[in-house]
Amino acid sequence: GESVGLHLPTLSVQEGDNSIINCAYSNSASDYFIWYKQESGKGPQFIIDIRSNMDKRQGQRVTVLLNKTVKHLSLQIAATQPGDSAVYFCAEGSGNQFYFGTGTSLTVIP
Amino acid sequence: SAVISQKPSRDICQRGTSLTIQCQVDSQVTMMFWYRQQPGQSLTLIATANQGSEATYESGFVIDKFPISRPNLTFSTLTVSNMSPEDSSIYLCSVSEVAGVEQYFGPGTRLTVT
Repeated sequence: GESVGLHLPTLSVQEGDNSIINCAYSNSASDYFIWYKQESGKGPQFIIDIRSNMDKRQGQRVTVLLNKTVKHLSLQIAATQPGDSAVYFCAEGSGNQFYFGTGTSLTVIP
Repeated sequence: SAVISQKPSRDICQRGTSLTIQCQVDSQVTMMFWYRQQPGQSLTLIATANQGSEATYESGFVIDKFPISRPNLTFSTLTVSNMSPEDSSIYLCSVSEVAGVEQYFGPGTRLTVT
């Protein structure tokens, strides 16, 4: 399948700071991208998505940026809170096929 | 979003046996999927569960090992057959309302094979 990888496997941030989680993908035909959050012992939770005809999309405290030129996706979390501590996955695909990245573990330091 | 439940939430099984995992959704959904997540790793799609027909399996997964049923639009089962310790994983069910949009995940079934 397609290769979707994350630049950093772990990330630690101070509470209140902004977090940036990065993701690289390899399939230029992918037209849909999703970020998921997975807390320990739970299934992945949908955070935000973006289609390939957009460069940026904002949600509540989260922003996803898509750079199709370099096939790069990022998730920005504003004012990071302890409840944001989790593993974050990016997924890319088209149609029904989704491929998940390796995951980045975010730890928020109080 | 749909509420998804899975049974069992966890199990410890002997090698050579089989386990059937159930996925129940509180509303009718078009698409249902099964994923495997090995310890500390990402999610790998096993198959798409098709209502009324055979599941569509991804490369590396076969029906004899992972038979799937989907009798209606709210329920699916995944069986892990003739288990070995390498099958120890979290198995996740996901759904989407239509093709090509976000998938929502169940809580997962944590399987340990001894």
